[in-house]
Amino acid sequence: DQQVKQNSPSLSVQEGRISILNCDYTNSMFDYFLWYKKYPAEGPTFLISISSIKDKNEDGRFTVFLNKSAKHLSLHIVPSQPGDSAVYFCAPSSGNTGKLIFGQGTTLQVKP
Amino acid sequence: DAGITQSPRHKVTETGTPVTLRCHQTENHRYMYWYRQDPGHGLRLIHYSYGVKDTDKGEVSDGYSVSRSKTEDFLLTLESATSSQTSVYFCAISKQGDHYGYTFGSGTRLTVV
Repeated sequence: DQQVKQNSPSLSVQEGRISILNCDYTNSMFDYFLWYKKYPAEGPTFLISISSIKDKNEDGRFTVFLNKSAKHLSLHIVPSQPGDSAVYFCAPSSGNTGKLIFGQGTTLQVKP
Repeated sequence: DAGITQSPRHKVTETGTPVTLRCHQTENHRYMYWYRQDPGHGLRLIHYSYGVKDTDKGEVSDGYSVSRSKTEDFLLTLESATSSQTSVYFCAISKQGDHYGYTFGSGTRLTVV
């Protein structure tokens, strides 16, 4: 029973264009959503987050949108750069349990 | 760069042997976690700790045990390694829990042959 799904295992975009990574969840108790970025042979690093009381959070080139009614969030990267090529994980927080639940990840490739 | 280190970085072991992975932090964070990363599964929680000698199971805890006798160290033990435990293992720390995000170590690649 996967509570968090990233249905696109991979995404390829051209440098300068927009990258959109999607995440769907089933647990309505999730109240905080984080995105992590992972390069090969490194641990994941925190990228951006959003609280369930908001529908948008922006940080430079990165914007996360949350649609609570659809239980869907997306990460937009504009403009995409080759250095953005990495695996991106969606990670909602499981209420007050102190645990993050990670999606399967989406591998983004940004072509020069 | 947060003070979290994992050792060893790489290990090859034989089926049936015990293996211990170490996570060491210098941040004095309360929460520590062990995850495994496998293709198609993302990161799955094995065990976590919310204080010295306080640990709990995650979603894939079978075949694993943990210990935390000091704030800075969180050990993951495979009592009798199996090929299904071949994976990349990540330790993470958190100051106050999930809403504040985690800081991850660089990972340990374990191969069970």
